[in-house]
Amino acid sequence: AQSVTQLGSHVSVSEGALVLLRCNYSSSVPPYLFWYVQYPNQGLQLLLKYTSAATLVKGINGFEAEFKKSETSFHLTKPSAHMSDAAEYFCAVSGFGNEKLTFGTGTRLTIIP
Amino acid sequence: NAGVTQTPKFRVLKTGQSMTLLCAQDMNHEYMYWYRQDPGMGLRLIHYSVGEGTTAKGEVPDGYNVSRLKKQNFLLGLESAAPSQTSVYFCASSNQLAYTDTQYFGPGTRLTVL
Repeated sequence: AQSVTQLGSHVSVSEGALVLLRCNYSSSVPPYLFWYVQYPNQGLQLLLKYTSAATLVKGINGFEAEFKKSETSFHLTKPSAHMSDAAEYFCAVSGFGNEKLTFGTGTRLTIIP
Repeated sequence: NAGVTQTPKFRVLKTGQSMTLLCAQDMNHEYMYWYRQDPGMGLRLIHYSVGEGTTAKGEVPDGYNVSRLKKQNFLLGLESAAPSQTSVYFCASSNQLAYTDTQYFGPGTRLTVL
């Protein structure tokens, strides 16, 4: 069985500040991890994914995430928040050969001008 | 390319009514998925398909049926709608298995059951 836990359903940061969104996973097999973003009234789109290659993964719009096996974490970061980053972010997990993704409950990011 | 499209965008039903949500993709993807999104619960998988003519149950399949008669279309049916099925429904598709491939999402269908 696989699951992800996103700590903090709402996160607010000032424009220009560091963005840190937390995701911890549980998996009985080596995990494949994803971050998706959902802008208001839209579907989800992929930000980045970890598929067992480099542990530091760079995605679109300046976001990156680091896979830490010892901490079972895959936190999402961005050095400097922009107003356009306001959205809901979902962490998701799968496993080798798995047909399905399991999503977390999401974190809504608000950017304070 | 339109990507993944969903019809309709909004719908209001009365309890007991039936309806079908249509998902279409023009990327020739093998895999298609139906999710529901509820506040505080993230996305939950209802049903999915690994190819034309196949369907499988996801996390929350009760009260829903699906069909994939054509590779590009994935239909989600509610035979007798209940207020608990009020939600936003998303369709997604991918070219390969979920563990390695990007899922492409449609814009969603907002369903209200009174």
